Amino acid sequence: NAGVTQTPKFRILKIGQSMTLQCAQDMNHNYMYWYRQDPGMGLKLIYYSVGAGITDKGEVPNGYNVSRSTTEDFPLRLELAAPSQTSVYFCASSYIPGDQPQHFGDGTRLSIL
Amino acid sequence: QKEVEQNSGPLSVPEGAIASLNCTYSDRVSQSFFWYRQYSGKSPELIMSIYSNGDKEDGRFTAQLNKASQYVSLLIRDSQPSDSATYLCAVNPWNDYKLSFGAGTTVTVRA
Repeated sequence: NAGVTQTPKFRILKIGQSMTLQCAQDMNHNYMYWYRQDPGMGLKLIYYSVGAGITDKGEVPNGYNVSRSTTEDFPLRLELAAPSQTSVYFCASSYIPGDQPQHFGDGTRLSIL
Repeated sequence: QKEVEQNSGPLSVPEGAIASLNCTYSDRVSQSFFWYRQYSGKSPELIMSIYSNGDKEDGRFTAQLNKASQYVSLLIRDSQPSDSATYLCAVNPWNDYKLSFGAGTTVTVRA
């Protein structure tokens, strides 16, 4: 029972490079979320999805893009990486928001140099 | 006003004592409330959920909810060094797909 799987676990990017953070869940959850967490800070919502083909912006969407072609996968794309995007990124999923909690992946630690 | 506010830390308690964490929220019609524990360098993990007024106990953890006062708390009894972590309060407003998280309270249990 894998739950929420994020890859890679660590990555170093150069300024201006692009990359995709992968997130997959095997719990058949419709709702998926991307957060970033800066050192000593709380979680900030980047994007979320309520089902395949449906995505919406969260609190801090600038510089990121998402897609949701299947129920299982919810990749996060960084275009033109900037030092301000250095952070830990968490993907989460839930079955029925409000009724049940979100389950988190192990995170991707990203450094932009 | 922030949607979810937690008591500022860090909170240091001796081993065996009770750690008390507080959380207030601004959306009066919030329905669901969660406490997550996050060890340094790890992802948040759910430790308690509470949906109705009153107390809910699970082992050494007790969550207390008072919707009239817009207040939810977490008590950790017989604190152990393994309880040293950051505790995140999360609130789900009515008819919303998203959780609002507090900034977290860091707890250190002194042996």
